[in-house]
Amino acid sequence: DAGVTQSPTHLIKTRGQQVTLRCSPKSGHDTVSWYQQALGQGPQFIFQYYEEEERQRGNFPDRFSGHQFPNYSSELNVNALLLGDSALYLCASSLGPQGGDTQYFGPGTRLTVL
Amino acid sequence: AQKVTQAQTEISVVEKEDVTLDCVYETRDTTYYLFWYKQPPSGELVFLIRRNSFDEQNEISGRYSWNFQKSTSSFNFTITASQVVDSAVYFCALSERGGFKTIFGAGTRLFVKA
Repeated sequence: DAGVTQSPTHLIKTRGQQVTLRCSPKSGHDTVSWYQQALGQGPQFIFQYYEEEERQRGNFPDRFSGHQFPNYSSELNVNALLLGDSALYLCASSLGPQGGDTQYFGPGTRLTVL
Repeated sequence: AQKVTQAQTEISVVEKEDVTLDCVYETRDTTYYLFWYKQPPSGELVFLIRRNSFDEQNEISGRYSWNFQKSTSSFNFTITASQVVDSAVYFCALSERGGFKTIFGAGTRLFVKA
């Protein structure tokens, strides 16, 4: 049973560039959520996708956008990168979008913005 | 508003000691869900437990136990006879029935020394 997978593992970009991160959910899961985890902090909710639609968004600017594909995989796009966007980006999948559904996390993508 | 507080930033114990990680939460919803996750140095968040607000029964799983008390809005996690492999950052998290996002605490870093 494949767990949540993310690619790439690490990424280095410069300010102003754009980046795309990818996530494949756990087998049987249809909901994907994205989190940003800065060093020494807890994960912060970015947004959630269910049925190919963004269901809820956290306090993140429009530079952060996403997409969910018919096979439930998802992408996170960040435009006009800032130094402060350097973080571990975690993808989580669940069987359903409701608050009580347990989320299972992938290994994350470490983004460094220089 | 939702909030999760983990007041202990770091805890250091010697192997075989018992250790309790504290978690205090705030929510206006009467139906909510609490979670604990473990984040080892590899970075992947590992799900440990889910508890709904109507189930205050304490739970034990091997060396792990959880104490949920609605009266004090706490959901504490105890590791009995700690081992070096327990060294990680532990996160307490909260989600509400009507919401889609999960709110994480800042985490408690546990060091278990041999």
